Amino acid sequence: DQQVKQNSPSLSVQEGRISILNCDYTNSMFDYFLWYKKYPAEGPTFLISISSIKDKNEDGRFTVFLNKSAKHLSLHIVPSQPGDSAVYFCAAIQLPNTGNQFYFGTGTSLTVIP
Amino acid sequence: EPEVTQTPSHQVTQMGQEVILRCVPISNHLYFYWYRQILGQKVEFLVSFYNNEISEKSEIFDDQFSVERPDGSNFTLKIRSTKLEDSAMYFCASKGQSNQPQHFGDGTRLSIL
Repeated sequence: DQQVKQNSPSLSVQEGRISILNCDYTNSMFDYFLWYKKYPAEGPTFLISISSIKDKNEDGRFTVFLNKSAKHLSLHIVPSQPGDSAVYFCAAIQLPNTGNQFYFGTGTSLTVIP
Repeated sequence: EPEVTQTPSHQVTQMGQEVILRCVPISNHLYFYWYRQILGQKVEFLVSFYNNEISEKSEIFDDQFSVERPDGSNFTLKIRSTKLEDSAMYFCASKGQSNQPQHFGDGTRLSIL
């Protein structure tokens, strides 16, 4: 039962352009969403998050949009840089569960072409 | 910046043997987690640990698995009798407060022969 889905396994974008990574979820009880970035041979690194009470959160070149009615979130990276090439995971949790189990998507591998 | 550290980076073990994966969470964190990622698949939750006890576990975390925080700094995952399908990357994570993101270690690659 995959509650968080990333339907695009890979994405290639030219340097300087916008990268848009998408994520869909099925559980309407999720109320906190996160994006993690992962380089080969390293653990996931937290990138940006959004609470379900918001529809947008911005941090520098990274913006996350949340559409609760569509159960969809997206990560926009602009401008994209070669160092952004990595696998991006979206994750969702339901608060205020002490365990805070994260449900991860399968990841999207982003390649930014110089 | 404080980091979650995991050792070893790669563990090779024969099937049926016990293995212990070690993690040192960030020092003032209160919530601890283990995840695994089988090659080519998604990151899967195994277990969460808070206040010296398991707070949540997935169906993957069966009787073969156990976790321990033996000395207030380490957080270990033990697999009692490893199976071939236990081969995966195992990630430890920790966080300070319940509404904060988890910080992950770089993982331990477990290869079962």
